[in-house]
Amino acid sequence: AQTVTQSQPEMSVQEAETVTLSCTYDTSESDYYLFWYKQPPSRQMILVIRQEAYKQQNATENRFSVNFQKAAKSFSLKISDSQLGDAAMYFCARYSGNTPLVFGKGTRLSVIA
Amino acid sequence: NAGVTQTPKFQVLKTGQSMTLQCAQDMNHEYMSWYRQDPGMGLRLIHYSVGAGITDQGEVPNGYNVSRSTTEDFPLRLLSAAPSQTSVYFCASSYSSVAWELFFGEGSRLTVL
Repeated sequence: AQTVTQSQPEMSVQEAETVTLSCTYDTSESDYYLFWYKQPPSRQMILVIRQEAYKQQNATENRFSVNFQKAAKSFSLKISDSQLGDAAMYFCARYSGNTPLVFGKGTRLSVIA
Repeated sequence: NAGVTQTPKFQVLKTGQSMTLQCAQDMNHEYMSWYRQDPGMGLRLIHYSVGAGITDQGEVPNGYNVSRSTTEDFPLRLLSAAPSQTSVYFCASSYSSVAWELFFGEGSRLTVL
């Protein structure tokens, strides 16, 4: 059963603007980890950002940041100052308990020059 | 540093044929896994291994076999290929199964006619 939901199959953003990709998840565990992976046209999977559930502070990696709302089980990715190289599929993923990493269905992001 | 190496990158099979997708990593990772990626479905786990001699099923294991005789190698065998197995396959590894970053191979595109 799919327990990571990305409700936006496609998104677009103007270059230099900010975009937010949504992700919700389901888990009964109190200790878990959340990830965003990027898949450019090259097909290579690249880790963008990682969040531990026990940390209240939202993770940040340069232009990428998350809005982690634990009670709502929401984990959105914000991309600031979007660049053409950000165009890709983005996958939200969750690890909890002993269950291997579970991925959402992905959001395809287009960046418009 | 090669990372995770998958072969072949492309393969065309006829229905009923068998084949093995090879996966090797040189990072001394204990955890290895196979995913398949289909349009609109995200990445779905086929099989995984937490160490040499130990394998387990993921979400979509039917029609696939795996073995883990060494830490480095984790081949995926298609026993009798079916058109439903047309997909892109990814091998991934990490230091452990506990929420470490997954390192992915470049993917193998398989077409079953």
